[in-house]
Amino acid sequence: EAGVVQSPRYKIIEKKQPVAFWCNPISGHNTLYWYLQNLGQGPELLIRYENEEAVDDSQLPKDRFSAERLKGVDSTLKIQPAELGDSAVYLCASSPSRAGELFFGEGSRLTVL
Amino acid sequence: GENVEQHPSTLSVQEGDSAVIKCTYSDSASNYFPWYKQELGKGPQLIIDIRSNVGEKKDQRIAVTLNKTAKHFSLHITETQPEDSAVYFCAANNNNDMRFGAGTRLTVKP
Repeated sequence: EAGVVQSPRYKIIEKKQPVAFWCNPISGHNTLYWYLQNLGQGPELLIRYENEEAVDDSQLPKDRFSAERLKGVDSTLKIQPAELGDSAVYLCASSPSRAGELFFGEGSRLTVL
Repeated sequence: GENVEQHPSTLSVQEGDSAVIKCTYSDSASNYFPWYKQELGKGPQLIIDIRSNVGEKKDQRIAVTLNKTAKHFSLHITETQPEDSAVYFCAANNNNDMRFGAGTRLTVKP
């Protein structure tokens, strides 16, 4: 069974540029998460989807971050414009059930210069 | 919302010794407590989990204990090996709202 796939793995951009990350969850997993992981820190929730509905986006900085999950499968996380402080790893995870295991992708490492 | 605290932030042990990592959580409604291991450049991977109706769970060299009254849970690794070196995260889940601790960097010295 294929795992959670994220792309790109690495992205280097200059500040004020836009960037987008893509996530393909494990087939059949209804719940999809985007987490932000700063160096030396634990994952922090940005947004959680149940199917195509964003059920928790309270931690998403909506002035510059946006996300979508069309058709309840793949998801895209966008930052526009990027700031220096956005440099981090963006992790996508999916889960098959409530209060169940999260399966993580390898992450997308963003460096903003 | 849920708040998870984890300590220590770093832990160094000699190969063969035991390692213990502790976490506390704030939301009494949380009912699922997983532990993840993250190696450099990879995403976190589940190593063991426990649900709120169980006090202890063991899988070979790894065990987790849960005290719901005190709202804390611990990871125990026995007979540590160099390949156990990684960052470990605890988490607490309430109805799909999964929150993580800040992580513990474990180093096992050969």
